[in-house]
Amino acid sequence: GAVVSQHPSRVICKSGTSVKIECRSLDFQATTMFWYRQFPKQSLMLMATSNEGSKATYEQGVEKDKFLINHASLTLSTLTVTSAHPEDSSFYICSARVSSSGGKYIQYFGAGTRLSVL
Amino acid sequence: QKEVEQNSGPLSVPEGAIASLNCTYSDRGSQSFFWYRQYSGKSPELIMFIYSNGDKEDGRFTAQLNKASQYVSLLIRDSQPSDSATYLCAPYDDYKLSFGAGTTVTVRA
Repeated sequence: GAVVSQHPSRVICKSGTSVKIECRSLDFQATTMFWYRQFPKQSLMLMATSNEGSKATYEQGVEKDKFLINHASLTLSTLTVTSAHPEDSSFYICSARVSSSGGKYIQYFGAGTRLSVL
Repeated sequence: QKEVEQNSGPLSVPEGAIASLNCTYSDRGSQSFFWYRQYSGKSPELIMFIYSNGDKEDGRFTAQLNKASQYVSLLIRDSQPSDSATYLCAPYDDYKLSFGAGTTVTVRA
């Protein structure tokens, strides 16, 4: 399968600081990437869809000014959590979409970033 | 809101047995269906996908799809302790995945 690289794997920061998470498609070009958040013992919640060269599409209830997404190239999307607070502590996972046969798509996931805000 | 229903489990099976996981979905327009495995503290990894009604086999895994009943299942044959994880059912529609809550499987050695 396709390889999606996500960095950092873990970050601890102080309240009020900003944190940037990178998501790279290593062996393919990804025009569309996705950002998810997962709280303990809950399922993945889609935060936003990132499209190369255009503005991200945010899911209802996700603050676009707090979670800045940039998808400036076909292999890199970034998520910046601005002015992070303890309630932003979570597991953030990116995913990239790959075209499959018959016009279908397959999504592969990065390893995730565990954010802890003190 | 598109709904994906899975039994949360935990589903406990002895080593070597068959684990059967079920998933129902609300969107009749869904055309692609994915099963992901997620180990505790890790991100999801793709197990297999199915597009057409019927069965699809990949190694010890078999996915079954019935679009008329809006039902998709995953069978794990010869279950191993390494199969202990949460299994996520994810229909693909509107160009994105909708995730169920997942079924936690525990394989007893």
